[in-house]
Amino acid sequence: NAGVTQTPKFQVLKTGQSMTLQCAQDMNHNSMYWYRQDPGMGLRLIYYSASEGTTDKGEVPNGYNVSRLNKREFSLRLESAAPSQTSVYFCASSELGSPISYGYTFGSGTRLTVV
Amino acid sequence: DAKTTQPPSMDCAEGRAANLPCNHSTISGNEYVYWYRQIHSQGPQYIIHGLKNNETNEMASLIITEDRKSSTLILPHATLRDTAVYYCIVRVAGGLGGGSQGNLIFGKGTKLSVKP
Repeated sequence: NAGVTQTPKFQVLKTGQSMTLQCAQDMNHNSMYWYRQDPGMGLRLIYYSASEGTTDKGEVPNGYNVSRLNKREFSLRLESAAPSQTSVYFCASSELGSPISYGYTFGSGTRLTVV
Repeated sequence: DAKTTQPPSMDCAEGRAANLPCNHSTISGNEYVYWYRQIHSQGPQYIIHGLKNNETNEMASLIITEDRKSSTLILPHATLRDTAVYYCIVRVAGGLGGGSQGNLIFGKGTKLSVKP
């Protein structure tokens, strides 16, 4: 019952460094999502992938790229990290095409600090 | 912008029912009401969702008004572990992963504090 697994759980980067956040789900979900959450705020959608082979921008895509590697995996890349990207990042997945979607399953988050 | 309005905070005594309100006056006919909660910086957790009928599961009950412009999440016997931020979200269910209309848009939610 792993659900959605995110790695790493914590990361500190220097300004300008790059890194990739990994996300994998084992529920055979078609859709996957990346959110960020800043202190005291709700979650904001960065990118999503409705199905394998497709990706689309969310509310706050600038400074990020994504790759839907296969049905299980959806990665988020920061090419040149900035202090404004200090945040907690959550990955989520959901079913595709169900008329009664039971919602998203979220990972436990990656806490990223850019100094 | 989130399509829902929730009070920023609420208190509830342990063992009592917690009633969390949500206004969604612009909800469309094909939009469901979803509730999630987030316990102390963990990933959000799905609680319940509904279209127009009242719903109940092992976690909570969802009461939706007849005009669907508001709803109430009820935790029947709140415990200290229910202390969390509760998010009320309206979205189109299913579809092409929901598409852009189906994406979860989070507001600031209601911070529920359950007190001994």
